[in-house]
Amino acid sequence: EIVLTQSPGALSLSPGERATLSCRASQSLTNNNLAWFQQKPGQAPTLLMYDATSRATDISDRFSGSGSGRDFTLTISGLEPEDFAVYYCQQYASSPGTFGQGTKVELK
Amino acid sequence: EVQVVESGGGLVQPGRSLRLSCTTSGFTFGDYAMTWVRQAPGKGLEWVGFTRIKAYDDSTEYAASVQGRFTISRDYSRNIVFLHMNSLKTEDTAVYYCARTMSTGWVGVCDYWGRGTLVTVSA
Repeated sequence: EIVLTQSPGALSLSPGERATLSCRASQSLTNNNLAWFQQKPGQAPTLLMYDATSRATDISDRFSGSGSGRDFTLTISGLEPEDFAVYYCQQYASSPGTFGQGTKVELK
Repeated sequence: EVQVVESGGGLVQPGRSLRLSCTTSGFTFGDYAMTWVRQAPGKGLEWVGFTRIKAYDDSTEYAASVQGRFTISRDYSRNIVFLHMNSLKTEDTAVYYCARTMSTGWVGVCDYWGRGTLVTVSA
């Protein structure tokens, strides 16, 4: 099973600032099969990015993904009030499709 | 509009069984894999399992924590996916999400999620 480790666990930022979230896999991900999700309290997750760098449908270009192999990053440029949430990475290169433990982006 | 709606959750005693349903609309059901993900209260997301499309014999994959106890099936006539849960344990208590899944990678990417249904396993 591939283990994903996200850092930091929490990020305290102000609106307008840049958020940089990291996700490290225990082994290299075939075809960079990594996705990022956003989850707000009481809601289902929303797909943001897939294949590490492809933005999902209707997702703002404030969100961008980078990385390859084992190390991946989600960047949110210019935080908007609606961006304060928990973010999860997930690998789908092998079964089971494991998730990271999440990074909470909170209002400073 | 793509819609994914889970149902069937509730309170169940340890050792008993429960079947969750995921009713879909707004897309060609046969073209997509389907995944179940759960989230225990106050915890992160846990991938439970998924089913591929008919072209791949509706084959399934499961997390080790549910392997042998949970089974996923799909009804193409009604565009529904089921999660059959047997020998339930208290640690299975969670909100269970169903998600439409793009067939990429080995287990696919969940692009549309339902709102979830709560399963509570308690005596």
